Amino acid sequence: DGGITQSPKYLFRKEGQNVTLSCEQNLNHDAMYWYRQDPGQGLRLIYYSQIVNDFQKGDIAEGYSVSREKKESFPLTVTSAQKNPTAFYLCASSSPLVPDTQYFGPGTRLTVL
Amino acid sequence: EDKVVQSPLSLVVHEGDTVTLNCSYEVTNFRSLLWYKQEKKAPTFLFMLTSSGIEKKSGRLSSILDKKELFSILNITATQTGDSAIYLCAVLNAGNNRKLIWGLGTSLAVNP
Repeated sequence: DGGITQSPKYLFRKEGQNVTLSCEQNLNHDAMYWYRQDPGQGLRLIYYSQIVNDFQKGDIAEGYSVSREKKESFPLTVTSAQKNPTAFYLCASSSPLVPDTQYFGPGTRLTVL
Repeated sequence: EDKVVQSPLSLVVHEGDTVTLNCSYEVTNFRSLLWYKQEKKAPTFLFMLTSSGIEKKSGRLSSILDKKELFSILNITATQTGDSAIYLCAVLNAGNNRKLIWGLGTSLAVNP
């Protein structure tokens, strides 16, 4: 089955620790995105990548880092510099054939203790 | 600054009711408007609209875009409890970043 997977589903970390969220897709999509969703707020773009080995900052990139070494994978690292990391993180991808439509993974809920 | 505004923010109806959700936008370089449904996890794609006046329909859901007045509506007829979700509207800015601008969503609760 084609789709986007994110792991883990739930993640707990202590303050001061870095943590990496996984996002994998087998849809052969070129573009991938990371969003953060907080209660009462819309989706906010953290980073996006239009092609392998290239990525751009979104609206709230501070305290986050990404890599895009493979087309299928776009991991997000939440660093200790991120002041309020507790949130729901969504990964998405889109095809060059229908670039406007983004398809989402199931999300990772990160809680900082 | 680009923005997308959805209304109402929340809505409670009874099964069988018809609802209309609104999405207005101010986005430079408009390319398309998208509707998503989110039920406690990942948003799932509903519709993409690019042309004014052409209704997109899927079962009990339909949507239309007015590019002159800069808004879209999402209609759900004969609502069911399974329609309870957050409905998200997003507009694609076709500028150099090609970013989706998201609204805050409308939270719909359908009571039996």
